[in-house]
Amino acid sequence: EAGVTQSPRYAVLQEGQAVSFWCDPISGHDTLYWYQQPRDQGPQLLVYFRDEAVIDNSQLPSDRFSAVRPKGTNSTLKIQSAKQGDTATYLCASSLVGGSQNTLYFGAGTRLSVL
Amino acid sequence: TQTVSQSDAHVTVFEGDSVELRCNYSYGGSIYLSWYIQHHGHGLQFLLKYYSGNPVVQGVNGFEAEFSKSDSSFHLRKASVHWSDSAVYFCAVSATGTYQRFGTGTKLQVVP
Repeated sequence: EAGVTQSPRYAVLQEGQAVSFWCDPISGHDTLYWYQQPRDQGPQLLVYFRDEAVIDNSQLPSDRFSAVRPKGTNSTLKIQSAKQGDTATYLCASSLVGGSQNTLYFGAGTRLSVL
Repeated sequence: TQTVSQSDAHVTVFEGDSVELRCNYSYGGSIYLSWYIQHHGHGLQFLLKYYSGNPVVQGVNGFEAEFSKSDSSFHLRKASVHWSDSAVYFCAVSATGTYQRFGTGTKLQVVP
């Protein structure tokens, strides 16, 4: 069984540039999460989906960040105009049947540096 | 809202020693607790979880954790660590219908 796949692995931007991150969850997993992990900190939720519906995006900076999962499978997270404070690793995770009790399966992450 | 805290940012032990990594949570209702491991440059990997039943849960690679409602804790233990256990360990908490919230992590260094 293939794991969660993320691309790119690394991204380096100047402030104001845009970037997109892509995530392919484990096949059949209905719930997909995007977490932001600043250096030496724990993952912090940005947004999560059940199928194609957004369940919680309250911590997504909506003025510059957007996330979609149009067919309930792959997902894209986009930063419209990056800031230095966005420097972090962006982790995608998926789980089966939703619910907080389910195990999260993480991808390797995309490490973003904003100069 | 559920919160989770990991009081130790760094723990250093020698290979073969036992280790306990601490996790405390705050929430008044039914709670789900998990531990994950993150090796450098990789995503998080699931170790074990607890929701109900036996408060001592066994995980992969010899890890176990014990839930204590009275102490609001879910500490992770291993009887004899190996150098390959060096990593960052995250405790996570959630309630029904909510997402998992992670602690700040404990970096475990195992000295050969």
